[in-house]
Parts: sequence; C-alpha cells; structure tokens
Amino acid sequence: QKEVEQNSGPLSVPEGAIASLNCTYSDRVSQSFFWYRQYSGKSPELIMSIYSNGDKEDGRFTAQLNKASQYVSLLIRDSQPSDSATYLCAVRVEYGNKLVFGAGTILRVKS
Amino acid sequence: NAGVTQTPKFQVLKTGQSMTLQCAQDMNHNSMYWYRQDPGMGLRLIYYSASEGTTDKGEVPNGYNVSRLNKREFSLRLESAAPSQTSVYFCASSVRQGSYGYTFGSGTRLTVV
Repeated sequence: QKEVEQNSGPLSVPEGAIASLNCTYSDRVSQSFFWYRQYSGKSPELIMSIYSNGDKEDGRFTAQLNKASQYVSLLIRDSQPSDSATYLCAVRVEYGNKLVFGAGTILRVKS
Repeated sequence: NAGVTQTPKFQVLKTGQSMTLQCAQDMNHNSMYWYRQDPGMGLRLIYYSASEGTTDKGEVPNGYNVSRLNKREFSLRLESAAPSQTSVYFCASSVRQGSYGYTFGSGTRLTVV
C-alpha cells in the first residue's frame, strides 16, 4: 500500500462546477496535510494546508480532513479553466519527519 | 524575491557522465530537499538536509550524492548517470524539516541517453 494515494484522473468538470479531489494516507499519526497545484511543465505550488479535523476554507478552495478515516479532500468551487492542473496531496509522516506526496490527480475544467 | 533557484533548467547527459545540479534559496530556510518526479510516480525524495551540516537519505538515494554547502545551497551530484535517472528534479526548502509547506524551485529536466 502506498503511503499517500490519489486517483490519477483525469477528473473533468464543467466551468462553474465544484471539483472534488480526494486523498487517502496510511500513517495514522500524521498531523500535517497539504495540497499543491502543479501546472504542466511547472513546479508544485502550495495552495492549502490543514492540520485539524474538519474544513478549512480559503477563497474558492476548501480542504477537508478526517483523521479517523485517514482521508483528505480538496474542493474547488466555481471551477475555472485556469484551475486545470495536477493536484498533489502531501502528508507529513512522523518517522523521519518528511513530506510524502501522492502521484497527483489531473483536473480538467471545460469551458 | 527569487525564492529557490535551480540550475541548469535542462540537461542532456550520456550514460556514465557526471554532473551536479545546483540549488540555492534566499528565504533563510533551514531545511532543503531534492525530489525527482516521474510520470505516474509523483514526487520521490532523494536526499534532504534538515539543517546546515546534516544530510540524510530519502526514498530513492541510490546513484546520487548531495552536499549542503552552506545554509543557502544544496547540490545534487550524479557520479555516473544512467538512463533510469532521466527525470525532472526539483529542489525545495522549508523553514523546518517537514513543517509548513515547501517552496519548490523551477526544476531541472534531465535526459540521460
């Protein structure tokens, strides 16, 4: 089992819809979770971090964390074509205190 | 405000050649990292430096060496390049090891033929 798993996609949504991206992780004691956006040919860019169970909102983005289910999600409201990118979930694992990344989910927003 | 600077951006090597990828950050971060990114594999940690003067192996260290030259600079060396090392390499830094988010450099696209 991979430490951080994501559906590779592509996830296709129409412009203006809500995009829902999901991530599961295996380290039960992990405390820090991050979402990165990566445009094709570019480097990853941090868009959200979450540390506590529940929801965290920032503009059109909402991160959701459920530690009991070992599940993190990212919701993008009012999706725009400019949101089309690969979204990487990252989890800080306690052994070695390192970030482990999922393989990413490709999101395509169609206008 | 440069952030994390990587050089070169592109490189083609022949099998068996050596090269060093350079990385420098100007954010006064303590921790620095080298990742490689391959299609379908996500980002995999090669080596990291939790603080100046320390380095540790990550998930895929074989075939690589690193040097934390000072607080700003962290280089990655391929002693004898192999086609399996064809990848995109990213350097990243953070305030502390594993904390907060990482800031990434723009990447080096390396092809070994």
